[in-house]
Formats: sequence, C-alpha cells, structure tokens
Amino acid sequence: DAGVTQSPTHLIKTRGQHVTLRCSPISGHKSVSWYQQVLGQGPQFIFQYYEKEERGRGNFPDRFSARQFPNYSSELNVNALLLGDSALYLCASSWTLGQVSNTEAFFGQGTRLTVV
Amino acid sequence: LAKTTQPISMDSYEGQEVNITCSHNNIATNDYITWYQQFPSQGPRFIIQGYKTKVTNEVASLFIPADRKSSTLSLPRVSLSDTAVYYCLVGDPPAAGNKLTFGGGTRVLVKP
Repeated sequence: DAGVTQSPTHLIKTRGQHVTLRCSPISGHKSVSWYQQVLGQGPQFIFQYYEKEERGRGNFPDRFSARQFPNYSSELNVNALLLGDSALYLCASSWTLGQVSNTEAFFGQGTRLTVV
Repeated sequence: LAKTTQPISMDSYEGQEVNITCSHNNIATNDYITWYQQFPSQGPRFIIQGYKTKVTNEVASLFIPADRKSSTLSLPRVSLSDTAVYYCLVGDPPAAGNKLTFGGGTRVLVKP
C-alpha cells in the first residue's frame, strides 16, 4: 500500500517567488495536515483539512494557504517566499477526526524547500 | 495544550534498553501521551500512545504513573537503526482535531 506521498521532494526557489507543494494521503484517509520543520527543531503545525474544510490553522502568516481536493489530496501554497521559509514541509494524513483510535498521523517524506 | 519537557539528547549502546522520560506537569484529564520517532530527512513515525499505566507494542513500552505528570518511553535492546529523534506529545486527539504539537525532541544516538 502506498503511504503518504509528497511532491516534489526537493525544491529551490528565489525570494519573492511562489511555491506549491502537493500531498496525496493514504487511500481512505480524509484528514490532511501540513507541518513546517526548520532544521534542528520539531515540526510546527500549519494547517489541517478534513473533508475539504479547514479545521485548524497554526501561527503562520497569510502568505501560507492550503486547500484539499475532492479526492482528499492537498496543496500548500506559500507566496512571497522569504529566506526563513526554508524548511522541510511535511504532510500527514489520518483516517478521521474525533476518535483516539483513529488519530494516528502518517507522515510523508516531506518536501525540502530552499529559498535563496 | 500541555507543555512537555524531555532531554535534548541521550547516548546508548547496541543491545541496551533506552528509557526517555518526558515531563508534562500540566496534562489535562482528556489528554493522551503519544510518542513519535523521526529519522533524518524523513517524516515522524508514530510509535506508541497511552493514557495511563502501561502500554506495550512490538516496538516499545510506555509507562505512565498514576499522576500522569510524566511518562517514560522504553526501547528494548536498541540497535544502530534506532538512532533518531524521539518526540513526546501530549494532547486531546479528538478535541485537537489531530493537530500535533511537537517540542524539541530527544536525539538518541546508539553506538556500536
């Protein structure tokens, strides 16, 4: 079975550019979350989507946006890139919300974004 | 969300048992304790989750005392491949809507 897949795996962008990162959840999973992990730190929550609706937002500027499609895949968009946006961006999927037994999050390998 | 405190790093040797203790003094009644493992350039991987007493699976054991203000992840007979960062998370999964709050983690280095 395919796990959570993210694309691209690596990306180099210039300051001020826009970037779109993509995530396909595990088949049957309806919840997708995005995390930013700066080198040496733990992942920081950015967004969560469930059934195509935003269910949570972390403390990130409006330059960050996301959406979830009918097939439950998701995109994370970042506008006006800054050097500080360089990080590993992780996508996690889980089956549903509301039940402890179903809340284990499965993470993808991440997209390594470098802003120069 | 309850804050967690865990050691920054730990060294061990192959075949030894590694115990990582996490402090969460402000844990709430509905909070669960979850541990994730992360290898370099990979996403975190769920290890174990518990609410009280002891939980064991094929990978690890989780010990939670009665007051739930701390928990200990136990990795039996570690190998070199267990070298990773281990994160302790505390939260109410249903209420938090699966939002995970990671701290700095414990970097475990297993030596030959």
